[in-house]
Amino acid sequence: DADVTQTPRNRITKTGKRIMLECSQTKGHDRMYWYRQDPGLGLRLIYYSFDVKDINKGEISDGYSVSRQAQAKFSLSLESAIPNQTALYFCAATRGNQPQHFGDGTRLSIL
Amino acid sequence: QQQVKQSPQSLIVQKGGISIINCAYENTAFDYFPWYQQFPGKGPALLIAIRPDVSEKKEGRFTISFNKSAKQFSLHIMDSQPGDSATYFCAASLGSGSARQLTFGSGTQLTVLP
Repeated sequence: DADVTQTPRNRITKTGKRIMLECSQTKGHDRMYWYRQDPGLGLRLIYYSFDVKDINKGEISDGYSVSRQAQAKFSLSLESAIPNQTALYFCAATRGNQPQHFGDGTRLSIL
Repeated sequence: QQQVKQSPQSLIVQKGGISIINCAYENTAFDYFPWYQQFPGKGPALLIAIRPDVSEKKEGRFTISFNKSAKQFSLHIMDSQPGDSATYFCAASLGSGSARQLTFGSGTQLTVLP
């Protein structure tokens, strides 16, 4: 039973298209995160949210936006996708001092 | 600026051997150092973590060694098994409660040969 579910798992799209990646969690976590993973660079934080109506920029927020529609849902948008946004994207969730629980990722390719 | 540097990028070990992955950090305010394990097609999962008030933490075959003065910490996998083949990430964070954010190393791809 996965804590964190990401959709879609894979997506191929073209430069300039708007894309939304979705994340939902079932454990009532209040904090949610979006990361990007690139080979040789590890995971880098894009945006994070501590609660509904709370949105914070991470290390690499340019070109991305997020929406926390409800405590359980946190979506990441690329308004106009570009090829260097091709990457593996992960959502994570947590509460209190618990470790972050990660989804299984969305592999995004932008042609 | 990469605040957590991880090496090696890849590591090949024979079954039964010891795997060692090293990380170094710059920010002395970091106060929590987790290691994450990631299998292909899956998200990272917490493996083991340490705080800077102890020099070593062991959980089964996995041990973190921590050197506060050198600002370094390492993961040791004893009796490495093919099932340990995965990508390992060190991380560091500061703050407590809702302020905690993770800074990850670049990852090490471990292959354990049967």
